[in-house]
Amino acid sequence: EIVMTQSPGTLSASAGETATLSCRASQSVNSNLVWYQQKPGQIPRLVMYGASTRATGVPARFSGSGSGTDFALTISSLQSEDFAVYFCQQYNNWPYSFGQGTKLEIK
Amino acid sequence: EVQLVESGGGLVKPGGSLRLSCAVSGLTFRDTWMTWVRQAAGRGLEYIGRIKSEANGGTADYTAPVTGRFTISRDDSKSAIYLQMNSLKAEDSAVYYCTKDVAYTGGGALEYWGQGTLVTVSS
Repeated sequence: EIVMTQSPGTLSASAGETATLSCRASQSVNSNLVWYQQKPGQIPRLVMYGASTRATGVPARFSGSGSGTDFALTISSLQSEDFAVYFCQQYNNWPYSFGQGTKLEIK
Repeated sequence: EVQLVESGGGLVKPGGSLRLSCAVSGLTFRDTWMTWVRQAAGRGLEYIGRIKSEANGGTADYTAPVTGRFTISRDDSKSAIYLQMNSLKAEDSAVYYCTKDVAYTGGGALEYWGQGTLVTVSS
């Protein structure tokens, strides 16, 4: 099973700043990498797939990068609604697997 | 509008069984791969398994924690999938989500989620 490791566990940032979240796979997943956003009490929301393709309705301030084993989700000009937990997940090899999550909190 | 509605959760004793259902609307169900994901309270997300469309064989794949205990099935005539859970353990306690992927991602990029159904395994 491919192990997904996210860093940092918690990221503190202020509105208007840029936040970069990282995700590393234990072996190559090509570009088959997804990011989800989850707010307290809500279901996860697909943000990015194919490592860099924004899901429907996701603002352009969200961008994804990387391939192989190292990936990043960058959120520029942070808005209040962006503060949440973000999970990465690979879908290159079954069983698909999630990272443990990064909490993006307001500084 | 795509809608996924889970049902069937509840309290069950260790070793017991439960069957979850997911009713799907707003899409051509027979062409769709569907996936079950769970999330324990305050924890991360965990894949349980996926079921392919009938055109791709209609077979299901599972993750290690549930292999041999859980079974995913589908009924295209009812636009529904099911999760039969046997030999339940305390660590199976979680919210169970029925999900649908972005097309051609093999159940990978989960675009649509149900609201989830809570399963609690406790004596």
